[in-house]
Amino acid sequence: EPEVTQTPSHQVTQMGQEVILRCVPISNHLYFYWYRQILGQKVEFLVSFYNNEISEKSEIFDDQFSVERPDGSNFTLKIRSTKLEDSAMYFCASRKTSGGNTGELFFGEGSRLTVL
Amino acid sequence: DQQVKQNSPSLSVQEGRISILNCDYTNSMFDYFLWYKKYPAEGPTFLISISSIKDKNEDGRFTVFLNKSAKHLSLHIVPSQPGDSAVYFCAARSSGQNFVFGPGTRLSVLP
Repeated sequence: EPEVTQTPSHQVTQMGQEVILRCVPISNHLYFYWYRQILGQKVEFLVSFYNNEISEKSEIFDDQFSVERPDGSNFTLKIRSTKLEDSAMYFCASRKTSGGNTGELFFGEGSRLTVL
Repeated sequence: DQQVKQNSPSLSVQEGRISILNCDYTNSMFDYFLWYKKYPAEGPTFLISISSIKDKNEDGRFTVFLNKSAKHLSLHIVPSQPGDSAVYFCAARSSGQNFVFGPGTRLSVLP
């Protein structure tokens, strides 16, 4: 069964360092997302990506964050200069349908980011 | 501004009994709702969805009920099994917008 894969599963970094989290969405999906969950808190939307551009982003997704689909398979989240409060589980998700309200999100296993 | 609320942070149910997880929303533009289950250190997995044109959707042991006038939906699990113990998230979206997740309810099914 196709699945969303994420790497690394866990990354520890020093404050101020750049981090790239990688995702391989399901191959025939058209919409791509990043969500995050700070420990003990709810799952928060960061950004959605469609047709090689950002379609929507939340207030969390400031200038320190960027996303890219460098080739036909990978979808990356870059945090330029990490802060302590960026420590969270980051989930990549993808969705197939191109319109309407149907189509659930398929999530990856998550990448745990720890900023020291 | 919490658009999707799950007011019970936790719920304990005896194995074999019914689990009822509740979700309330404030945005009347939401027209598609999903339930996800999440085990520790794993990504959320899709359980069941419902469109606003329906008031009930059933899939095996899982049934979702939608009351649009009350802006309320619920997930029923019958019969509950120990493997159902997880955090359950309600999510909602309006057309063209992204999914908004509730804070989750931790379900514990006791053997």
